[in-house]
Amino acid sequence: DSGVTQTPKHLITATGQRVTLRCSPRSGDLSVYWYQQSLDQGLQFLIQYYNGEERAKGNILERFSAQQFPDLHSELNLSSLELGDSALYFCASSASTTGVGELFFGEGSRLTVL
Amino acid sequence: QKEVEQDPGPLSVPEGAIVSLNCTYSNSAFQYFMWYRQYSRKGPELLMYTYSSGNKEDGRFTAQVDKSSKYISLFIRDSQPSDSATYLCAIFSGGYNKLIFGAGTRLAVHP
Repeated sequence: DSGVTQTPKHLITATGQRVTLRCSPRSGDLSVYWYQQSLDQGLQFLIQYYNGEERAKGNILERFSAQQFPDLHSELNLSSLELGDSALYFCASSASTTGVGELFFGEGSRLTVL
Repeated sequence: QKEVEQDPGPLSVPEGAIVSLNCTYSNSAFQYFMWYRQYSRKGPELLMYTYSSGNKEDGRFTAQVDKSSKYISLFIRDSQPSDSATYLCAIFSGGYNKLIFGAGTRLAVHP
């Protein structure tokens, strides 16, 4: 058990809809990362937050947004969903402030868009 | 060209075999090199981490980095069925402040 909790584990929705994925980091970790994993693209970095502030941005679509709250949990919002958004979404947390160091991953939220 | 390229596999080996997993990267500024292991239906977990050229050993696992060739490898000795998983190389880019993963190699070790 990594200590990172993600909900929901599975989500099935329709195109055009909006969903919110939630992540609780390990106790004490200030950094939260979001990754998307699909069969053809591998694990793609979306965005990182550190103590509530956006720290780094990757290949995150404009239809996607994220935030980290004062209690350090994070949410990833996916809107105007398309079939191609079907993937596993992982949250990871880290104690590092610089981005170097071990990332602890949750078990992922599997999103299916029909 | 992707920043990190990884042999796609899948790789199937008998128990006890030596396994070699490889990645290449494009940017010589990349600094830190890691291997993550991901079991089916689980999140990745860190296996090994190094920042210098050369070898680093941890039990049956050896991570090798050749910065001049921009090539990293993970060797697994005496492979076990419990090693069956997807192995992802990951490289940290200080300039971009992000960890970039390879696509992963699926390994199956059969008894």
